[in-house]
Amino acid sequence: AQSVAQPEDQVNVAEGNPLTVKCTYSVSGNPYLFWYVQYPNRGLQFLLKYITGDNLVKGSYGFEAEFNKSQTSFHLKKPSALVSDSALYFCAVSLLLTGGGNKLTFGTGTQLKVEL
Amino acid sequence: NAGVTQTPKFQVLKTGQSMTLQCAQDMNHEYMSWYRQDPGMGLRLIHYSVGAGITDQGEVPNGYNVSRSTTEDFPLRLLSAAPSQTSVYFCASSSHRDRQVGEQYFGPGTRLTVT
Repeated sequence: AQSVAQPEDQVNVAEGNPLTVKCTYSVSGNPYLFWYVQYPNRGLQFLLKYITGDNLVKGSYGFEAEFNKSQTSFHLKKPSALVSDSALYFCAVSLLLTGGGNKLTFGTGTQLKVEL
Repeated sequence: NAGVTQTPKFQVLKTGQSMTLQCAQDMNHEYMSWYRQDPGMGLRLIHYSVGAGITDQGEVPNGYNVSRSTTEDFPLRLLSAAPSQTSVYFCASSSHRDRQVGEQYFGPGTRLTVT
């Protein structure tokens, strides 16, 4: 069974500082990995994904993520945090279901708080 | 495009009542799904559909029913509401061709409380 772990419930960072939100995964076969962001009272929004190729993936709003196969990690990063980045971040791994559907297995989420 | 829309945004039910959560998308996506979000548990898949007339169960289907009569709509029915179904419900859609590697588009959610 596939699983995703986000070891930190909350990450606090000062505006302008780099941020990292951690994610590790467990899958059989090739992982298809995603990051989504959820702002208060909103649905999830896609940030970026890793399918294959370059281990450094660039996404929306200046975010990037580094895929590390040996450490089974997919950490989300941003060089300079903004207060507006404060939100709930979810790491997810995708699995094709036998019926043809697709299941995203989500981590429990990490609340990012960026302070002035 | 409106994307994925959900109604209502909020709902309070008494135990045993039934209701339908509505979901519609205007992106002509074949694949649609329902998730529930509970604190500390991420999102869990309830039911999904790969096209009109085709539905299947996710990981937490008990107490819920779905149908898919059109490409656009994918309603979720609570047959007899229970307090354990208090949650935030999200509908999502994606292109069938990209269903494993493509992103899903989420609606704004329905916050349901069962008393």
